[in-house]
Amino acid sequence: DIVVTQTPPSLSVTPGQPASISCKSSQTLLHSDGKTYLSWFLQRPGQSPHLLIYEVSNRFSGVPDRFSGSGSGTDFTLKISRVEADDVGIYYCMQSKRLPRTFGGGTKVEIK
Amino acid sequence: QITLKESGPTLVKPTQTLTLTCTFSGFSLSTGGIAVGWIRQPPGKALEWLALIYWDDDKKYSPSLSDRLTITKDTSKNQVVLTMTNMDPADTGTYYCARDTMTGYYIFGSHSLDVWGQGTTVTVSS
Repeated sequence: DIVVTQTPPSLSVTPGQPASISCKSSQTLLHSDGKTYLSWFLQRPGQSPHLLIYEVSNRFSGVPDRFSGSGSGTDFTLKISRVEADDVGIYYCMQSKRLPRTFGGGTKVEIK
Repeated sequence: QITLKESGPTLVKPTQTLTLTCTFSGFSLSTGGIAVGWIRQPPGKALEWLALIYWDDDKKYSPSLSDRLTITKDTSKNQVVLTMTNMDPADTGTYYCARDTMTGYYIFGSHSLDVWGQGTTVTVSS
């Protein structure tokens, strides 16, 4: 299985300030089709996860542009340019290059 | 609009078999490249992928749970069913279904685990 590791496990951010979450995979997520299969999800308190970013840097429908994804190979980053109260929750990265799909352990984002 | 909804028992006894149903709308599991997957989340813990079924009835399972899981689909009813045998208290958690897309198969507007159900909570206790 591809192991996916997220850091930090938690983050406390002042509203309006940026935030950054790192995700590393145990092997490259670059597929033979040229795409890199790394996604980011947000799970707000009491809700199911929802997709924010797919294929490293593509925002899913309706996702604000303050969210951005970057990286390549095995190292990836999710950045929130200006954190808002609505961004509170647990962020997960996930690889979908291979089965089984595997998730990072999550990063809990709180507002200071 | 794409929606998925999980249903099933909220309480099962140890050693029993759990049967969960995912009923979806807004897409077809007959479309090439489309799949429906199951993911679970123990209380306070991270997400764990369990299984998926493809449009062509190919089935994939988590290696650690493959001997306990069975996934099936009823395309005419827009339903996917997951059964898990020999339930244990460690299987307590919220179970989600989500639409998935076969890696490397391009479908406009469809991505891996792009739409999730609300989840159903399962407690395993005697």
